[in-house]
Amino acid sequence: QVQLQESGPGLVKPSETLSLTCTLSGDSDDTNYWSWVRQPPGKGLEWIGYLYDTGSTNFNPSLKSRVTMSRGTSNGQSSLTLRSVTAADTAMYYCVRHRTGNGELRYWGQGTLVIVSS
Amino acid sequence: SYELTQPPSVSVSPGQTATISCSGDELGSKYVYWYQQKPGQSPMLIIYQNNKWPSGIPERFFGSNSGNTATLTISGAQPLDEADYYCQAWDSSTAFFGSGTKVTVL
Repeated sequence: QVQLQESGPGLVKPSETLSLTCTLSGDSDDTNYWSWVRQPPGKGLEWIGYLYDTGSTNFNPSLKSRVTMSRGTSNGQSSLTLRSVTAADTAMYYCVRHRTGNGELRYWGQGTLVIVSS
Repeated sequence: SYELTQPPSVSVSPGQTATISCSGDELGSKYVYWYQQKPGQSPMLIIYQNNKWPSGIPERFFGSNSGNTATLTISGAQPLDEADYYCQAWDSSTAFFGSGTKVTVL
């Protein structure tokens, strides 16, 4: 069973950088991609981008200029960095694991809430 | 940017059929995915590649996709099916979600 756990600060100041880590445990089930999806409180889902296990990335054009994704210190980790945050970046951030770069977002973490506020 | 349009809400009586639409330009030429999200929980994949079920998903959730509209049908709706439902598709290597449909079973 694929299990994902997001971690990181729950509060970030405006104009600063949001950094989150996703840790994979259990069976990888042939999944090779890490996506991040966010959801502002009471609103819908927005795909941020993905990281492939080789290190290649693909980002939502609407966020591309502010986003970095990279592999963590171990094979079972992925990190998200979002720069110059504003209140509009307040959201639940989900880590998702999937098998292909244009397929279903199969396994979701429980999410971590990040609030942008001074 | 690619837009997927869903109705904000759908109501259904227990045991009846609920239908949720998802519209987008030439959507029928793409694969559509459906996710269920209950309050306080993460989204969960319930349909992939238009009409396939992940393991453990009951077949009363049925997906179809043709023309500009994909449809999620919930047959024999149960109170536990109350949730938000999101469609998703890829366009130009970007994943797009519909705005979500709140299904109420009452």
